[in-house]
Amino acid sequence: GAGVSQSPSNKVTEKGKDVELRCDPISGHTALYWYRQSLGQGLEFLIYFQGNSAPDKSGLPSDRFSAERTGGSVSTLTIQRTQQEDSAVYLCASSLNQLNTEAFFGQGTRLTVV
Amino acid sequence: DQQVKQNSPSLSVQEGRISILNCDYTNSMFDYFLWYKKYPAEGPTFLISISSIKDKNEDGRFTVFLNKSAKHLSLHIVPSQPGDSAVYFCAASARTGANNLFFGTGTRLTVIP
Repeated sequence: GAGVSQSPSNKVTEKGKDVELRCDPISGHTALYWYRQSLGQGLEFLIYFQGNSAPDKSGLPSDRFSAERTGGSVSTLTIQRTQQEDSAVYLCASSLNQLNTEAFFGQGTRLTVV
Repeated sequence: DQQVKQNSPSLSVQEGRISILNCDYTNSMFDYFLWYKKYPAEGPTFLISISSIKDKNEDGRFTVFLNKSAKHLSLHIVPSQPGDSAVYFCAASARTGANNLFFGTGTRLTVIP
């Protein structure tokens, strides 16, 4: 596709369940980023991929959060044993490479933990 | 600790008038600043940026002003149009890479026809 695509658009899950969020970056973009936006907060950086490796995981809030990227393309963000405070919009972005600070964002996945 | 602050959660402006969105930052190492625009149910889209070596950058109806001594930047939209109604995020970085961006909490602009 032409833009960054995320799925699902919305996800409601029960507390304690695991969830997987998917991101398809723009073709040819080597850098991929995950952010989240909680209610009333700015975008919070989670993790960055360059190719399939993650040189910056500094934003992951706990060890319940993990992410992988395969084939230098699709990325999956996994949240294990979800908690109510995980409820947020999770945004994925990609850029041509890490030298580009202006990234292209997907529409986000709204996660609600009940 | 919020390093980038947008103190006005919302702003309403009449169509045709100027919209001024403000952003303050605390980290003097920030040297690159961006504005993103976000419509409901869409991801943020890059709007305009400015490097710290400049104090003004203009792109059509959009102008960003940077006051380094005050650690303040602003986005001016002239003339404002109803299609400009969106949430505007200010972001700043001290290093290249979107992983080094610090975002404000956003200002919701409503342009009244």
